[in-house]
Amino acid sequence: KAGVTQTPRYLIKTRGQQVTLSCSPISGHRSVSWYQQTPGQGLQFLFEYFSETQRNKGNFPGRFSGRQFSNSRSEMNVSTLELGDSALYLCASSETGQVPDTQYFGPGTRLTVL
Amino acid sequence: AQSVAQPEDQVKVAEGNPLTVKCTYSVSGNPYLFWYVQYPNRGLQFLLKYITGDNLVKGSYGFEAEFNKSQTSFHLKKPSALVSDSALYFCAVRDEGGSYIPTFGRGTSLIVHP
Repeated sequence: KAGVTQTPRYLIKTRGQQVTLSCSPISGHRSVSWYQQTPGQGLQFLFEYFSETQRNKGNFPGRFSGRQFSNSRSEMNVSTLELGDSALYLCASSETGQVPDTQYFGPGTRLTVL
Repeated sequence: AQSVAQPEDQVKVAEGNPLTVKCTYSVSGNPYLFWYVQYPNRGLQFLLKYITGDNLVKGSYGFEAEFNKSQTSFHLKKPSALVSDSALYFCAVRDEGGSYIPTFGRGTSLIVHP
């Protein structure tokens, strides 16, 4: 099976702009989670979607949003970008998101905000 | 609540020597434990997981981990390190009765020198 894919791999934006990142999970996986990775904060959970519904949400401001489509593909959006949003954004998929599913990660999207 | 700690930011070993990357956890119920590896500018790759059963779990690339309930630890080990093992290693925990979302450690940088 093909792995988790994320597009684009790299993005450069300026403050105040908005950005949309895309994630295609492994075929058959219905749960998609998003994480932000920075050197200072490590891996921080953003949100998780299952069957087009946001099931879990991390502690991020409302500028961060997401959605999931009927084919399980997911997008996340960040509006009004800030310098601190520069990070590697990782998408992970699992079959159901239930414990003890394993999450499989995509290669990430490197977002740089100037 | 669930938490995980990786007490060492960096581990250095010589090629051919055994390596250990430490992880300790805290959960309310039974733990599900995971190890991931991340190479530069890449996503996390799943190495192995402990759900139940044998305390010694074998995973990819010759890695194994030992679950120790009394010490609440899940250390990652490899009998003979390779230079190509140099990467960032993450331990993660999920509580059997808790959140679907795993908690990740801050990561340990493994450096294997020739």
